[in-house]
Amino acid sequence: GQQVMQIPQYQHVQEGEDFTTYCNSSTTLSNIQWYKQRPGGHPVFLIQLVKSGEVKKQKRLTFQFGEAKKNSSLHITATQTTDVGTYFCAPDKGSGGSNYKLTFGKGTLLTVNP
Amino acid sequence: DTAVSQTPKYLVTQMGNDKSIKCEQNLGHDTMYWYKQDSKKFLKIMFSYNNKELIINETVPNRFSPKSPDKAHLNLHINSLELGDSAVYFCASSAWTATNSPLHFGNGTRLTVT
Repeated sequence: GQQVMQIPQYQHVQEGEDFTTYCNSSTTLSNIQWYKQRPGGHPVFLIQLVKSGEVKKQKRLTFQFGEAKKNSSLHITATQTTDVGTYFCAPDKGSGGSNYKLTFGKGTLLTVNP
Repeated sequence: DTAVSQTPKYLVTQMGNDKSIKCEQNLGHDTMYWYKQDSKKFLKIMFSYNNKELIINETVPNRFSPKSPDKAHLNLHINSLELGDSAVYFCASSAWTATNSPLHFGNGTRLTVT
């Protein structure tokens, strides 16, 4: 089956520092989604990347999809306490169809020291 | 005007009991899901329904039985609850089953079995 590794598992930073989480797949992906889950909350969709080498930005968040479409990263510039939460990647091989199911990486828990 | 709503939010019960969790979405989506999130935050898909039809049934004990009376509702009934069933259960929906449809999650139901 599809092997996906998300690293690091945990990351603690001082407010103002940058943060990056990586999602690495053993197989080529059709697309990848990223979600954020605040403590005690539910996963919330952030973005989807589809094209090889794609880079998308949302304010201080930068999302990248590797050229080979096997890797992706989420980078946060100058973290704030509101960035605290678990960030999940949800890679998709692109089988599509009626048996489509979205699987999630194990997530990276980000904590920010004010 | 919550998009995906689940009830109850918390559920504490004893081993051996039977309980149900209800989910409703008002997004007009065709596909609904149940995910289980364990204590390590790992999100695992359990079931998926498309237009009231079961399309994904992961390796889940028979004690778990989903029911979809219409495409806006997906309920989860659990028989003979066990300690290991303690987790947060998330309902989610997506516009379709294709590979580029983001998931919208409910707020979750925290189930504690004692």
